[in-house]
Amino acid sequence: KQEVTQIPAALSVPEGENLVLNCSFTDSAIYNLQWFRQDPGKGLTSLLLIQSSQREQTSGRLNASLDKSSGRSTLYIAASQPGDSATYLCAVSGGRKGGSEKLVFGKGTKLTVNP
Amino acid sequence: ETGVTQTPRHLVMGMTNKKSLKCEQHLGHNAMYWYKQSAKKPLELMFVYSLEERVENNSVPSRFSPECPNSSHLFLHLHTLQPEDSALYLCASSQAHQGSYYGYTFGSGTRLTVV
Repeated sequence: KQEVTQIPAALSVPEGENLVLNCSFTDSAIYNLQWFRQDPGKGLTSLLLIQSSQREQTSGRLNASLDKSSGRSTLYIAASQPGDSATYLCAVSGGRKGGSEKLVFGKGTKLTVNP
Repeated sequence: ETGVTQTPRHLVMGMTNKKSLKCEQHLGHNAMYWYKQSAKKPLELMFVYSLEERVENNSVPSRFSPECPNSSHLFLHLHTLQPEDSALYLCASSQAHQGSYYGYTFGSGTRLTVV
């Protein structure tokens, strides 16, 4: 059974710092990995999707890497801003049926960026 | 309206009530999902529909009953709920085409409180 772990559970940094969020998964046979952001009481916003054949994806100040063999992914946030404060969730594909993709989520890392 | 829309945003119901959650996607996706998010726990997959056919039922109690009348709409019918069912219920959709997957889009969720 696939399990996803995110470390740390919470992180507080001053504005401007570069930071790394970690995600690990137990079964390396995944199709893809997706990073999401969730603001309090809200739904999830997709940040980056890495297909199993890729090693990294970049969007603005965000960079996500994937190492399938070691079961790890990192989300790098450059020059953090208070608006980056949110919970960041990592999810890996847990199987496909028809046109659907089942995701398995970690518990998330709660990030606070202080002005 | 674009994206994935969930209604209502908040719902308080007694244990003997019957209510329904609604999800609508305007993205032309071919799969839809219900997830449950409880405090301190990872998102839990409840149901998956692919091309309007239920392809996953993740051992969810029968007091939760999904319905997918067409590819754009998904409902979660609730009856005789328990206080521990209080959570954020998230709907998502995704698109797969010729073996490629393009990621999930989530709605904002329905915050359910059972009293």
